[in-house]
Amino acid sequence: QKEVEQNSGPLSVPEGAIASLNCTYSDRVSQSFFWYRQYSGKSPELIMSIYSNGDKEDGRFTAQLNKASQYVSLLIRDSQPSDSATYLCAWEPARQLTFGSGTQLTVLP
Amino acid sequence: GAGVSQTPSNKVTEKGKYVELRCDPISGHTALYWYRQSLGQGPEFLIYFQGTGAADDSGLPNDRFFAVRPEGSVSTLKIQRTERGDSAVYLCASSAGQGGTEAFFGQGTRLTVV
Repeated sequence: QKEVEQNSGPLSVPEGAIASLNCTYSDRVSQSFFWYRQYSGKSPELIMSIYSNGDKEDGRFTAQLNKASQYVSLLIRDSQPSDSATYLCAWEPARQLTFGSGTQLTVLP
Repeated sequence: GAGVSQTPSNKVTEKGKYVELRCDPISGHTALYWYRQSLGQGPEFLIYFQGTGAADDSGLPNDRFFAVRPEGSVSTLKIQRTERGDSAVYLCASSAGQGGTEAFFGQGTRLTVV
């Protein structure tokens, strides 16, 4: 079964620090990777997509993809309390989005 | 519409009853997904439509679950003979194309089977 594994949480960081979230996935075929943010009681919200090896930056967020190592990560710089949420990585091994179990991030003021 | 719309937002039903959950995707989006999410877990894939057809229904847990999308837009997830274990948030998402395109979620339907 094609799966995605997220680093275990929960993760707590102080305000202003860098939060690092990681996922590994089980095969090398997929071309598309996504990070979603989910606040408690809300539905997932797409924050980043990445399709090529390397880094993709959007404001305080950087997604990193390494297809050879089957690894995708999300860095959040200058973390804010409003970043406290569950972060879900997702990929498309067979055109349907498959999600990891999520990492709960708490940014401490 | 402006976003993915799901109705109802909450549904409480008795064990053994039949329920229908509706999803209205973003206008023009050909791909539609249904997921189920339990507390503390990531969304669990149920079924994926491309247009009117179910391109992948491998996530449906058993034959009590069925979904349709007759005109390639609105989709209905149908659950027969509901069980307490079916209680979860049911999420719908849509995207513009086949794979590799970004998917956007509705607000979900919280189903409680009592």
